[in-house]
Amino acid sequence: EVQLVQSGAEVKKPGESLNISCKGSGFSFTTYWIGWVRQMPGKGLEWMGIIYPGDSDTRYSPSFQGQVTFSADKSTSTAYLQWTSLKASDTAMYYCAKWGRVPVSGFDYWGQGTLVTVSS
Amino acid sequence: DIQMTQSPSSLSASVGDRVTITCRASQGINNYLAWYQQKPGKVPNLLIYAASTLQSGVPSRFSGSGSGTDFTLTISSLQPEDVATYYCQKYNSAPWTFGQGTKVEIK
Repeated sequence: EVQLVQSGAEVKKPGESLNISCKGSGFSFTTYWIGWVRQMPGKGLEWMGIIYPGDSDTRYSPSFQGQVTFSADKSTSTAYLQWTSLKASDTAMYYCAKWGRVPVSGFDYWGQGTLVTVSS
Repeated sequence: DIQMTQSPSSLSASVGDRVTITCRASQGINNYLAWYQQKPGKVPNLLIYAASTLQSGVPSRFSGSGSGTDFTLTISSLQPEDVATYYCQKYNSAPWTFGQGTKVEIK
């Protein structure tokens, strides 16, 4: 069974750093793109970017380039989303999702989401 | 970057109605378009990819069409469990932008 299990909710202060994780199982983690999607409270889905764990090739949305960093650990089948200095505007639900392989395209499996709250 | 515009932003329809949601790309994207359903408080779910291919397990009342810049998601007979927000997403090239969403409610 394909699963993406994300780390738990976080409450942080502005300026703090944060790493959230997304552990994959039930599929070949290194051969599928893993994406990150932000959903601010009451708002729509925003594509942050994707990483290919096999070689850590990454593509960032211009909106998030330089604001976050994606990484992946092949040995533990885990993808990470990192901030070095959080802002209140980073408060959101963050989802990881697996991109399908031909013929399936689209994020076919999603993590349960990690709620990040940034408040002083 | 290519922008994705959905219309309407919200709609209210009766059970059994045919519902159509439109997604327009600011430039041609061939058929590199997916549709997702997100029920309240839930994780998004892939409905359709390649503009018109139904994902495994998705009810056949959902269908997609279009190519180039104009796409539609149709629910042939709206059911109470279809109350959700629907998003399109283009993936011809990065960034793989989502539309702003269409909220579907029951009248």
